[in-house]
Amino acid sequence: NAGVTQTPKFRVLKTGQSMTLLCAQDMNHEYMYWYRQDPGMGLRLIHYSVGEGTTAKGEVPDGYNVSRLKKQNFLLGLESAAPSQTSVYFCASSPDGLNAEFFGPGTRLTVL
Amino acid sequence: RKEVEQDPGPFNVPEGATVAFNCTYSNSASQSFFWYRQDCRKEPKLLMSVYSSGNEDGRFTAQLNRASQYISLLIRDSKLSDSATYLCVVFNSGTYKYIFGTGTRLKVLA
Repeated sequence: NAGVTQTPKFRVLKTGQSMTLLCAQDMNHEYMYWYRQDPGMGLRLIHYSVGEGTTAKGEVPDGYNVSRLKKQNFLLGLESAAPSQTSVYFCASSPDGLNAEFFGPGTRLTVL
Repeated sequence: RKEVEQDPGPFNVPEGATVAFNCTYSNSASQSFFWYRQDCRKEPKLLMSVYSSGNEDGRFTAQLNRASQYISLLIRDSKLSDSATYLCVVFNSGTYKYIFGTGTRLKVLA
């Protein structure tokens, strides 16, 4: 079991570029989440999904899009990167709300 | 008011000390409760779930008080390796969201 994996681990973008972050889980979890964490701040929810084909907005969704075409994958897209999107991005999954969620190792993104 | 609140600390304690963290939550319909630890520049990792009857895992004890809407974590015989940020997390079944506190920093000193 690899658990939750994230690709890439690091990335540097220029303002205006686009990219997709991939989250994959092999635990057959229904729920998946994307968070960002900035220095000295807590985790902020970007988007989440409670099942294949479903997505919903979190606390800070602007500038991001997501897709959950397959149960095991949750993609986070940045259409036109901005310096304010420099952050560490964590993906997490859980079987249901009665159980804890498990996190991937994170993607460190810098937008210049 | 934040949905989950924690004292940010830092708590600086000597090795071997007992330290307690509290966390309050505002949504009385919250369904599940957890403590995570996060090391610098790493992902949050589950420390323990919190059950209504209270639960213990080695040196760690978690308590839930639904009436007062707070969760606690007690760490006994602190080790240097316990130095981390401890996150209180509440699951809101109405929104399917895990709500994180901003964390309490613990530093255990030799």
